[in-house]
Amino acid sequence: DIVMTQSPDSLAVSLGERATINCKSSQSVLYSSNKKNYLAWYQQKPGQPPKLLIYWASTRESGVPDRFSGSGSETDFTLTISSLQAEDVAVYYCQQYYTIPYTFGQGTKLEIK
Amino acid sequence: EVQLVESGGGLVQPGGSLRLSCAASGFTFSSYDINWVRQAPGKGLEWVSGISGSGVTTFYADSVKGRFTISRDNPKNTVLLQMNSLRGEDTAVYYCAKRADYGDYLSAWGQGTLVTVSS
Repeated sequence: DIVMTQSPDSLAVSLGERATINCKSSQSVLYSSNKKNYLAWYQQKPGQPPKLLIYWASTRESGVPDRFSGSGSETDFTLTISSLQAEDVAVYYCQQYYTIPYTFGQGTKLEIK
Repeated sequence: EVQLVESGGGLVQPGGSLRLSCAASGFTFSSYDINWVRQAPGKGLEWVSGISGSGVTTFYADSVKGRFTISRDNPKNTVLLQMNSLRGEDTAVYYCAKRADYGDYLSAWGQGTLVTVSS
């Protein structure tokens, strides 16, 4: 199974500041034939289901604010929130969909400093 | 609008069975894989099982293989998860989630149904 490891486990950032969450996979999730990274990011607010933010490592889902961006390739990925808003308080998960079983990172809890 | 609504959760004793249902609307149901993802209380997300749009192909996590069975009824726009030989570690909120149009990431999720395995 591909193990997904996020860092840090929790993060406190001031409003308007940048938040950066890292995700590392135990093997590459880059598919050579189409040059796509099979990596997604989800946001989960308390009491709610996860919500898709980013797919193919860097493509923003429709309706997601442009302060959210994804980057990285092969085994190392980053989710960046350029200017933290109060409504961004949540737990963020990365997920690989390169191979079954699909696996998630352990989550990063983002709070306001 | 895509909607997924889970039902069937509840309290069950260890060794017991439960059947979860996921009712879908707002999209061409038979064209999309559906997955189950669970979340133990205060924990992270764990993929559990998936089924192709036709229902021919199914997938399971090792932790549930041989105990859980996924199926679908396309005319009724419903996916089922039959859970047998339940254990305490199966206690979780179970979400059904729809595959996206062009990749196996999960573009829509239901609100979840809580399964508690306890004596």
